[in-house]
Amino acid sequence: NAGVTQTPKFQVLKTGQSMTLQCAQDMNHEYMSWYRQDPGMGLRLIHYSVGAGITDQGEVPNGYNVSRSTTEDFPLRLLSAAPSQTSVYFCASSLTGEGNQPQHFGDGTRLSIL
Amino acid sequence: KQEVTQIPAALSVPEGENLVLNCSFTDSAIYNLQWFRQDPGKGLTSLLLIQSSQREQTSGRLNASLDKSSGRSTLYIAASQPGDSATYLCAVRGAGSYQLTFGKGTKLSVIP
Repeated sequence: NAGVTQTPKFQVLKTGQSMTLQCAQDMNHEYMSWYRQDPGMGLRLIHYSVGAGITDQGEVPNGYNVSRSTTEDFPLRLLSAAPSQTSVYFCASSLTGEGNQPQHFGDGTRLSIL
Repeated sequence: KQEVTQIPAALSVPEGENLVLNCSFTDSAIYNLQWFRQDPGKGLTSLLLIQSSQREQTSGRLNASLDKSSGRSTLYIAASQPGDSATYLCAVRGAGSYQLTFGKGTKLSVIP
């Protein structure tokens, strides 16, 4: 019953540092995605993947990298952290990217860049 | 570019009241619309998904309607309870797109 698991839950970085936010799902979902949630902005799509080995950019991809080597995992990498990347990051998955399946969300990673 | 608006931004009601949350979107070429619930410090929980060909969906005390031509959806909550207190988010998936476009949410407080 794990669903979508995100680690870490909280992280503080200094400007210029790099880090990887982890996301794993145990539902054999093909589609996975990353969103960021900022006050007054709503959730915005960063990157998404429709299956292992396939990724694409969302609305706000700059400063982030992703890869999808397995169905279960979809890590998000910050290459050189900037204060503008302070946000709450959510990973989501669904059975496929097509069709009418609901999205399942993790509990988020709260990231602060100093 | 699709834009999703939710009104009101916040709503406070006494326990037991029926209430309606509103969502509007600018591009009617959508694949589906979802309503989510978000509790403080938590992720999003999918409540209802309405396909573009459907008019409404129901789950327990929740009923969501969709009028695609006018770009509107409503979430009706019957007999509200304090446990319904949360932020409710509306999201649309555009036709031919994988992306969900979210509204900013309505923060609901149900007062015992």
